[in-house]
Amino acid sequence: GQNIDQPTEMTATEGAIVQINCTYQTSGFNGLFWYQQHAGEAPTFLSYNVLDGLEEKGRFSSFLSRSKGYSYLLLKELQMKDSASYLCAAVDSNYQLIWGAGTKLIIKP
Amino acid sequence: EPEVTQTPSHQVTQMGQEVILRCVPISNHLYFYWYRQILGQKVEFLVSFYNNEISEKSEIFDDQFSVERPDGSNFTLKIRSTKLEDSAMYFCASSERPEAYNEQFFGPGTRLTVL
Repeated sequence: GQNIDQPTEMTATEGAIVQINCTYQTSGFNGLFWYQQHAGEAPTFLSYNVLDGLEEKGRFSSFLSRSKGYSYLLLKELQMKDSASYLCAAVDSNYQLIWGAGTKLIIKP
Repeated sequence: EPEVTQTPSHQVTQMGQEVILRCVPISNHLYFYWYRQILGQKVEFLVSFYNNEISEKSEIFDDQFSVERPDGSNFTLKIRSTKLEDSAMYFCASSERPEAYNEQFFGPGTRLTVL
């Protein structure tokens, strides 16, 4: 079966760095997305990786290892507004997005 | 900045009733999607749509569901006979290119409550 695993909840301090991990098992693989979702709102796009390595975009970076079926999202200089759920989604061989349950990130002052 | 819009923002209906959820994708986008998210659970893919036909659909998208692009701007999801378990947030999304190559832009969602 297809499966996306990510931690349910993480807590970090304002100004710090946090890494949210995601492992995936899909039938075929055509890339991995990270989305941010604030409570009661729609997901918003953060990053897309299809090749191995690190993609940096401002305070957010995303890493992919296809051989390990592993990705992480790195958030630097955390701000209170970063408190949200972070959704990992892999694209399978049918080009469908397989979603993880999301990691709720709590930022403390 | 262009955005996906959805109406209504909230819909309350009685079990067994038909509902139509409406979406206006970004104007130059060609690929459209519906997702649902039951409260506290993961986002689930329902259907993708391109060139006036369904491209892919999930097991959730059974005969009770249908999609339509009635004109050049709207994209609708119809649930023929709602069940209690259809209560969820329904998100519409659109993209310029298929899922694998480009981000999908999500609408704000319609919260459907079935009583």
